[in-house]
Amino acid sequence: QSALTQPASVSGSPGQSITISCTGTSSDVGDYNYVSWYQQHPGKAPQLMIYDVNNRPSGVSNRFSGSKSGNTASLTISGLQAEDEADYYCSSYTGSSTWVFGGGTKVTVL
Amino acid sequence: EVQLVQSGAEVKKPGESLKISCKCSGYNFGSNYWIGWVRQMPGKGLEWMGIIFPGDSDTRYSPSLQGHITISADKSISTAYLQWSSLKASDTAIYYCARKGSDSSRMYYFDYWGQGTLVTVSS
Repeated sequence: QSALTQPASVSGSPGQSITISCTGTSSDVGDYNYVSWYQQHPGKAPQLMIYDVNNRPSGVSNRFSGSKSGNTASLTISGLQAEDEADYYCSSYTGSSTWVFGGGTKVTVL
Repeated sequence: EVQLVQSGAEVKKPGESLKISCKCSGYNFGSNYWIGWVRQMPGKGLEWMGIIFPGDSDTRYSPSLQGHITISADKSISTAYLQWSSLKASDTAIYYCARKGSDSSRMYYFDYWGQGTLVTVSS
C-alpha cells in the first residue's frame, strides 16, 4: 500500500483559487468514490473537509470542493483566505476496511 | 456532542511496552461506528495504521504494521486502545484515533478525531 501522491506545496494569493491533486492507482482512488480530504493546522488534529469525493460536512465552507477523474482526485479552495493556510491530506478507501493517505500538501497564502 | 479524548503523552525506552487509549462519548460506541488509528511521525504526513469495530472486535491492520501493534476496544467503557509489546525508536510519533461510520451507512471517512497522543521512544 503506497501513499497517494500529492504536491509538497501549493501557494496562492488571497482571493485566488488553488487546486491540490491526489494521485493513486486503480486499486484505490480509481476504484472507489470514497476519497476524503483533511485539513491540519500546526499542532492540531486533522479535520474532515470533503468526503466521498465531493461532499462537504456540515460547517465546512463552500469554498472547498472536490472532484475526481480516473486515478486522480483534486481539492479546490476558492477565494483563498489566510485561515486556509494549513496542511491538506487526501485519503482513499482501498477495500477490506483499509485506507491510505496522501503525503500531504502545505498550502501557503502569500 | 461527539468527543474522542486520548490519553496523555508518554516517554518510553526501546523494548518497553505501551498501551494508549481513546475514550469516546456522545454516540453509541458499540454499534454503527469503527475507530481507526493514524500515525504522524515528526514532521511527516498521516499514515493509516488500523481500525476496529467495537461491536464485534473485527480488526484490520496496515500490512506494514501488522504484528507490531495491537488494536482493541472495551465496549463497557467506550474506549479503544493501541498497544505495543516492544517499542522501537521509530515508533516516536503522534497517534490519533478517529471515528468512521458503518459500512452499511456507506461512511468511508473519518469524521471525528481525538486530540492526539505524543509517544516518544528514546534510550
